[in-house]
Amino acid sequence: GAGVSQSPRYKVAKRGQDVALRCDPISGHVSLFWYQQALGQGPEFLTYFQNEAQLDKSGLPSDRFFAERPEGSVSTLKIQRTQQEDSAVYLCASSSSGAYNEQFFGPGTRLTVL
Amino acid sequence: AQSVTQPDIHITVSEGASLELRCNYSYGATPYLFWYVQSPGQGLQLLLKYFSGDTLVQGIKGFEAEFKRSQSSFNLRKPSVHWSDAAEYFCAVGAPNYGQNFVFGPGTRLSVLP
Repeated sequence: GAGVSQSPRYKVAKRGQDVALRCDPISGHVSLFWYQQALGQGPEFLTYFQNEAQLDKSGLPSDRFFAERPEGSVSTLKIQRTQQEDSAVYLCASSSSGAYNEQFFGPGTRLTVL
Repeated sequence: AQSVTQPDIHITVSEGASLELRCNYSYGATPYLFWYVQSPGQGLQLLLKYFSGDTLVQGIKGFEAEFKRSQSSFNLRKPSVHWSDAAEYFCAVGAPNYGQNFVFGPGTRLSVLP
């Protein structure tokens, strides 16, 4: 595709609901990253995939957060039992290989937990 | 611990004026340094990066940055700002032997006066 796409662009959830955020990376990009960006802050790393393998999930804030990329392309970030502190923009990025090649970012999904 | 500081939360310059955005880092290894720009409604876009070699690096859109190891700084500059440069600017640091997880600074918001 032309770029990284994310859906939905906006999501409102009631506290305690589960949400799923989707990322479609640039075709052929083997590396995929998820970041969380709180209001007025820079992005914070959540997790990293190389193809379908999740090589680093050190940034996931709790076991309520789960990410997958089963076929090495589309990725889903799932948040269970959402809390108000989960409200943020969730960014997805992809690159041809690793973080040190240029990461191409999607527009993000803005999650608001009421 | 790795950290990135951007001392200026918000900067306002007149169109045509010069610009310098500050970035300081604390990192336990030889850093790889990046500047990203985030325009409203757009994904983050890489402006430039420094890995090694010449400490003055050129990027897209007329931006440049200078790595100063002694000052742990990587300041972004542009000689003449255009109205379209109004955006949020993020400095980021990483190192391959620390993995694929970058640390982003909190960002500097640039406003441009006509």
